[in-house]
Amino acid sequence: GAVVSQHPSWVICKSGTSVKIECRSLDFQATTMFWYRQFPKQSLMLMATSNEGSKATYEQGVEKDKFLINHASLTLSTLTVTSAHPEDSSFYICSANTGEGGDYNEQFFGPGTRLTVL
Amino acid sequence: GQQLNQSPQSMFIQEGEDVSMNCTSSSIFNTWLWYKQDPGEGPVLLIALYKAGELTSNGRLTAQFGITRKDSFLNISASIPSDVGIYFCAGHPYGGATNKLIFGTGTLLAVQP
Repeated sequence: GAVVSQHPSWVICKSGTSVKIECRSLDFQATTMFWYRQFPKQSLMLMATSNEGSKATYEQGVEKDKFLINHASLTLSTLTVTSAHPEDSSFYICSANTGEGGDYNEQFFGPGTRLTVL
Repeated sequence: GQQLNQSPQSMFIQEGEDVSMNCTSSSIFNTWLWYKQDPGEGPVLLIALYKAGELTSNGRLTAQFGITRKDSFLNISASIPSDVGIYFCAGHPYGGATNKLIFGTGTLLAVQP
């Protein structure tokens, strides 16, 4: 159980275009979903936290107008990278938790999406 | 932003050897978690620790939550080739949101058969 999927697994786009990445919880309802970015040989950095039906909370330094997050249902969150540039090329990973079990309940991670902007 | 320091950065060992890596912070954490990430994949949880001093095992893996709440270690015994990957510590900092994880800098493990 507790499987999170991402689509696409990789994407190549031209500079200036927008790219949408989907994150789905397949066998549970995710009250909260998280988006991380990971540059090569670096750690995961939290970009934003989103709760179903409400606006995402962005981490300091992450542009909300550039990284649009929509959490329209309890099983789907999307990240849209708008007007992508080569410096946005990265590995984007989502995670989700159920919100059950009190504090610190486990985050289940998706397999990631590799974005390359030419 | 806040970050956890992991050491060593990388390890190159022979199959069968034991491995130890650790994670430190300048501030207190309420939880410590250890993840493994294979290339091109998301991280997978190995062990979660919730109390200072807690020692937990998962097969050949053992991790401890430091008494000071500012550090944790992960040991892997009798390493095998499939242990290859990047190991990340992570945790929930004291006073932070209960659903916000901070990740360490990672330890790359290579195992030679």
